[in-house]
Amino acid sequence: EVQLVESGGGLAQPGGSLRLSCAGSEFTFSSYEMTWVRQALGKGLEWVSYISAGGRTIHYADSVKGRFTISRDNAKNSLYLQMNRLRVEDTAVYYCAVSPYSGGWYDYWGQGTLVTVSS
Amino acid sequence: EIVMTQSPATLSVSPGERATLSCRASQSVRSNLAWYQQKPGQAPRLLIFGASTRATGIPARFSGSGSGTEFTLTISSLQSEDFAVYYCQQYNDWPPLTFGGGTKVEIK
Repeated sequence: EVQLVESGGGLAQPGGSLRLSCAGSEFTFSSYEMTWVRQALGKGLEWVSYISAGGRTIHYADSVKGRFTISRDNAKNSLYLQMNRLRVEDTAVYYCAVSPYSGGWYDYWGQGTLVTVSS
Repeated sequence: EIVMTQSPATLSVSPGERATLSCRASQSVRSNLAWYQQKPGQAPRLLIFGASTRATGIPARFSGSGSGTEFTLTISSLQSEDFAVYYCQQYNDWPPLTFGGGTKVEIK
């Protein structure tokens, strides 16, 4: 069964940085597109960033462009989100998700990691 | 950016009854629409992709329909485990991928 496990969340100050990780297992990590989606407490889902299987194609939501960097290490079956210049409004649970069929929908999701930005 | 609008925000339904959830796109997304279910404290779960194709392991009581700008998720006979929040997501024209605001299905 596909497994995705996020880590790296926690408390950061406004203007600070955090690096999220997502470890994948039980699937051919290097073959699949991946994405980060976040959810503020009590709110809906917001797409954050996308990376192609090989890492050559990357997209960001306007709200994080220039501050967040997505990357992956296929040798380590890991996805990352480097979050810089954090804002209070970045506070959310961050999910990684995988698209086995490269269709734009996401079949498998991690359990999420909470990022809190507060002074 | 394609804006996805879901209605109603909350749907009160008795167990065993039928639930009909709507999702509207601000411009055509053809059939490039997915539905997810999310329970409190859990990650989203894919139900439907391609507007009407059930994902692996999804019970037949869940069905999706529509194309273009109007979509429907129908749960034919609500079970206790179906009370949750449901989101639609378009993937026709992105970035950005966009989600609707969600419909909460609660027990009447």
